[in-house]
Amino acid sequence: GENVEQHPSTLSVQEGDSAVIKCTYSDSASNYFPWYKQELGKRPQLIIDIRSNVGEKKDQRIAVTLNKTAKHFSLHITETQPEDSAVYFCAASHLRDNYGQNFVFGPGTRLSVLP
Amino acid sequence: EAQVTQNPRYLITVTGKKLTVTCSQNMNHEYMSWYRQDPGLGLRQIYYSMNVEVTDKGDVPEGYKVSRKEKRNFPLILESPSPNQTSLYFCASSFGREPYNEQFFGPGTRLTVL
Repeated sequence: GENVEQHPSTLSVQEGDSAVIKCTYSDSASNYFPWYKQELGKRPQLIIDIRSNVGEKKDQRIAVTLNKTAKHFSLHITETQPEDSAVYFCAASHLRDNYGQNFVFGPGTRLSVLP
Repeated sequence: EAQVTQNPRYLITVTGKKLTVTCSQNMNHEYMSWYRQDPGLGLRQIYYSMNVEVTDKGDVPEGYKVSRKEKRNFPLILESPSPNQTSLYFCASSFGREPYNEQFFGPGTRLTVL
């Protein structure tokens, strides 16, 4: 089955610096890669996603890149702000044989943005 | 408002006492799923359902049951809870028939089994 690894497990950056979180996946059938942000005590919420036919996607200060050949994808946050502090999860998704979605999440990265 | 709801939000119980965590969505989603979240392990799928009366095991199904009698509801049942089921549980839903449908999460249920 699919296995998603995520690094680093914790990341501290100074406010205004950039943060990069990297994920690798094992199943070449995966073709959708969402990133979720989870603030303390709250539910995970989608912040950006990318499909396998796209190499890069950007939304304001957040971008995601995908390398299908190497089976890795990365989240880039520029000009970090204290409110970016949270746990970030990557995931890989594909359709199971019975047509249901199969989501596999990485273990998460705790990002701390220091003022 | 489109949302996924779970109840209860917090639950402390004792070993062996059957419990049910409810999950409901109002987005007419076909696909619903239960996850447990443990430190350092991320979100692990317990069970999922592709539609009414169609359920299947995820990665960590042992000790759990589910049912899907109505499209909007997907309760998680622990017949005989044990301390290793102490965790934070999330229900999620999506349209599901494509691999790139966003999953919407409920607010979570923090379960402690003594």
